Amino acid sequence: EAGVTQFPSHSVIEKGQTVTLRCDPISGHDNLYWYRRVMGKEIKFLLHFVKESKQDESGMPNNRFLAERTGGTYSTLKVQPAELEDSGVYFCASSQVGAGTDTQYFGPGTRLTVL
Amino acid sequence: AQSVTQLGSHVSVSEGALVLLRCNYSSSVPPYLFWYVQYPNQGLQLLLKYTSAATLVKGINGFEAEFKKSETSFHLTKPSAHMSDAAEYFCAVISRAGNQFYFGTGTSLTVIP
Repeated sequence: EAGVTQFPSHSVIEKGQTVTLRCDPISGHDNLYWYRRVMGKEIKFLLHFVKESKQDESGMPNNRFLAERTGGTYSTLKVQPAELEDSGVYFCASSQVGAGTDTQYFGPGTRLTVL
Repeated sequence: AQSVTQLGSHVSVSEGALVLLRCNYSSSVPPYLFWYVQYPNQGLQLLLKYTSAATLVKGINGFEAEFKKSETSFHLTKPSAHMSDAAEYFCAVISRAGNQFYFGTGTSLTVIP
């Protein structure tokens, strides 16, 4: 069974540009999560999808970030326009149930560098 | 509110020595606690989780952790370190009804031959 995949693995862009990150969850997982780790800090929750609906987007930093999950399969996270402080590693995770006991399976992350 | 604190951003141990990675949690409700490991260029992999069954939880690769409510701790241990254990380790807490993890800042483990 394929795990959570993320594309690209690395992205280097200039301030003001747009970047779109993609996440493909494990097949059959209705729950999809985005997290971000800024260098040296903890991994922080961004948002949670259940199928195509946003269940919780309380962690989204600001309106420059837009997440979508059309059709309830893969998800994209767009940053427009990117700022220097957006640099970090963006992780995607998926799970079956979405409850506290449920294991979230993480992808390898996308390392975003904004110059 | 929930949070975890990992003491020590970097830990070095000799091969064969005890591994002890510390995690303390703060939670207003009984928590679920997790340890994840990230090997270089890989995603986070679940080591073990505590979901209020046994307080001593055994995980993969010989790791275990003990939930101690009185100390609000969930320290990760392994009796004998292997070179392959070199990685970054993350402690995390999640509420029973919750959907989001609260992670610690991570502990990078170095194993010295």
